[in-house]
Amino acid sequence: AQTVTQSQPEMSVQEAETVTLSCTYDTSESDYYLFWYKQPPSRQMILVIRQEAYKQQNATENRFSVNFQKAAKSFSLKISDSQLGDAAMYFCAYRSGQSNFGNEKLTFGTGTRLTIIP
Amino acid sequence: DAGVTQSPTHLIKTRGQQVTLRCSPKSGHDTVSWYQQALGQGPQFIFQYYEEEERQRGNFPDRFSGHQFPNYSSELNVNALLLGDSALYLCASSRGTGAIYGYTFGSGTRLTVV
Repeated sequence: AQTVTQSQPEMSVQEAETVTLSCTYDTSESDYYLFWYKQPPSRQMILVIRQEAYKQQNATENRFSVNFQKAAKSFSLKISDSQLGDAAMYFCAYRSGQSNFGNEKLTFGTGTRLTIIP
Repeated sequence: DAGVTQSPTHLIKTRGQQVTLRCSPKSGHDTVSWYQQALGQGPQFIFQYYEEEERQRGNFPDRFSGHQFPNYSSELNVNALLLGDSALYLCASSRGTGAIYGYTFGSGTRLTVV
């Protein structure tokens, strides 16, 4: 079974600075997807960024980028130019790479609470 | 374009009772998954429905059951409620398998069992 570990329960960063959230995972599969989701107080899970394991290039979405180290099974999220609206719980998630029903489960970590200091 | 809609937003039930939670997927989506998020934890997968059939199930007892309707909306039923069932229940929808197009989550139903 796959597991996802987020070892930082809480992080804080000054507004406009850069912060990196850590995530490690364990799997025996070679093909899979990794996600970072943001959960603000509104409770809705919002997709921040997604990475396909077969892609060597790290995914980037505006101020958000990942450092995907497949051999180390590490998937960290870097937030540049932090803004007050980035304050939320951040969850790392894993999905099997098989594109068929029966492999749809997302496995989540326990989350990191990010605080932005004005 | 409406996102995923869940109802009710909050409810309180007594131990031993039964509860039904509802989810309407995002327009254009035909697959619905349910997750349980206990306080301070990440979401745990309950099950997924596609074409009105349960396609995958997580490690949850039979007290948890579901249904998907022809309009793709879904219900989650929990029987014989336990105090430990208190959690945020999240619904996620996708178009086909989420591997290709990703998942959209609702804001959840907060269930408190007393």
